[in-house]
This record gives sequence, structure tokens and C-alpha cells, in this order.
Amino acid sequence: DAGITQSPRHKVTETGTPVTLRCHQTENHRYMYWYRQDPGHGLRLIHYSYGVKDTDKGEVSDGYSVSRSKTEDFLLTLESATSSQTSVYFCAISEETSGANVLTFGAGSRLTVL
Amino acid sequence: GESVGLHLPTLSVQEGDNSIINCAYSNSASDYFIWYKQESGKGPQFIIDIRSNMDKRQGQRVTVLLNKTVKHLSLQIAATQPGDSAVYFCAENNENDYKLSFGAGTTVTVRA
Repeated sequence: DAGITQSPRHKVTETGTPVTLRCHQTENHRYMYWYRQDPGHGLRLIHYSYGVKDTDKGEVSDGYSVSRSKTEDFLLTLESATSSQTSVYFCAISEETSGANVLTFGAGSRLTVL
Repeated sequence: GESVGLHLPTLSVQEGDNSIINCAYSNSASDYFIWYKQESGKGPQFIIDIRSNMDKRQGQRVTVLLNKTVKHLSLQIAATQPGDSAVYFCAENNENDYKLSFGAGTTVTVRA
């Protein structure tokens, strides 16, 4: 997954604790995304960013917030983690294009909320 | 909202045979359709895309077919290999809309 890294790759936490996942890119792409992947649901968009300090909600944004203070970093925060947020989280990036929006994904962050 | 989905959640294929993975979509206004492959423990990777004004596009060992009349998309893999074992997702997007919608995926298992 050249050019995009996620941290941490694995995390176990308890219900009610805050969690922040980080996505870092070296491609200088404008668009960044956070998806979650759960069995039977495929990939669902949580939040995305179209520039520094420009973010918008996806289809499953409740309980999540994001921040993008620099082009290269996109943070996903769970203010108070719940068991329903146990999932694998993927960050993705894409560049501005007139064609198909091809996303490049990170390796994923597996979060377990006990 | 609009949805993109796959017909079958699993597909078992004999090594060397051709694989056909299907996807039904509902948004007739989509401009592009994209196939991704996700190997175990990894993030999805781009395979091939097709614009809505095309019926067919070929890549290396893969062919994507688009039937807009019945809103159906398929990915054909020629001479399936063990390395093709993965989950395959279709996705769609509109031009100038940078959000992608994904289906639930089809798990392809290649039998030796």
C-alpha cells in the first residue's frame, strides 16, 4: 500500500474510551476517505475530505468525527467507543480527475471494542 | 439512496477455468463502474473501470461487461489462478462526485 499508511493497525479498547485512527499519505492527493468494513455490509463510507479542513459525512457517520489539518493526514475519532464500532477501518485516497474516481486503500486498522 | 450490489456472495472456481462475477446496480445515472479486488488481510485494490458509455473493456486477463439495459455489470477473469482467490467488489461513481458506493462483495475461491 505504497503512499498510504494507517496507524495503529490493531487496537483493542474498552467501551466508552476515545479512539483515534490516523491515515497518512505521501501522494499529495486531494481526497481522503474513511470506510468501515463489516461482514455482509461491504465497505461503508464514514467521512471523507476534499481538502484541508474540508470534510463531509458519509452514510454511517454517527459516532465518528474527523479532522484534516494537513493535506497528508486524515484522523478518524471515536469520541466514546461502542461495541458496534468494532470493525476494520480503511483509509483511502484519490486525486482530482475527470475520469473514474479510483481509490487507493491503506492496509486497514482492526478495532475491537470490548 | 442508490445501491450497488453483487448477485452471489461466494463463487468457487476450478483453477484454469474462467470466472464470472456479477453485479447489479440501481443508479442509472452513474458515470463509472469500478472493480476492486481484496485479498485476505489487505485493503481493496483497483482492477479495472468502465465508463457508462462503453459496453466492454479488457485488461490483463480481465474483461468487464456493462449492460445498461438491465443495469448489470460483470467481471470475467480468464484462466483463473490461485492468486485470484479474493473478495471482489463493484463500485460506482458519478463524475465530479468523489464518493464511491460499494456492494457487499463476492468471495472467489479457486480450487486446485
